[in-house]
Amino acid sequence: DVVMTQSPLSLTVTLGQPASISCRSSQSLLYSDGNTYLDWFQQRPGQSPRRLIYEVSNRDSGVPDRFSGSGSGSDFTLKISRVEAEDVGVYYCMQGTHWPPWTFGQGTKVEIK
Amino acid sequence: QVQLVESGGGVVQPGRSLRLSCAVSGLTFRNYNLHWVRQTPGRGLEWVALIYYDGTTKYYADSVKGRFTISRDNSKNTLYLQMNSLRAEDTAVYYCTSYVYWGQGTLVTVSS
Repeated sequence: DVVMTQSPLSLTVTLGQPASISCRSSQSLLYSDGNTYLDWFQQRPGQSPRRLIYEVSNRDSGVPDRFSGSGSGSDFTLKISRVEAEDVGVYYCMQGTHWPPWTFGQGTKVEIK
Repeated sequence: QVQLVESGGGVVQPGRSLRLSCAVSGLTFRNYNLHWVRQTPGRGLEWVALIYYDGTTKYYADSVKGRFTISRDNSKNTLYLQMNSLRAEDTAVYYCTSYVYWGQGTLVTVSS
């Protein structure tokens, strides 16, 4: 199974400042069709997960443009350009290239300073 | 709007069975592959099972293979998870999801 490793596991950010979360996979997530199936999810306190980014860098509908995803191969990053209060929660990366199983990172908890 | 509503969770003794349901509305159910994903404080998010849009193909996590069965009824827009031989480590919030859409989750607690 592909192991997804996120860092840091916890992040405290000042409102309006940027934040960055790293996600590394134990093998390349580049699929034979040329796509890379790496998604990012946000889980606000008391809520279900919500997908923010799919295939590394594509924002889902309704996701603010302060969220961006980048990376390739086995090294990926989620960036929040200016953290807002509503961004508090846990962020997960997930790979969908080598399935089954689909595997998630451990999660990164984002808090406001 | 799209809604996925899980039900069927509860407290059950080890070795017993439980069936979860997920009622879906607001989308063309028969067009979607659907998953069950569970979440625990200790193990985070864990994929459990996938069923193809037409019910013909199913995949399971090794941890539940042989004990859990995913199914769907496209005439009722409902996804199911039959869970047998439950163990303490199956205790989790269970979500049905297409990854774009998620239910609110249903809590399963396996305890004597």
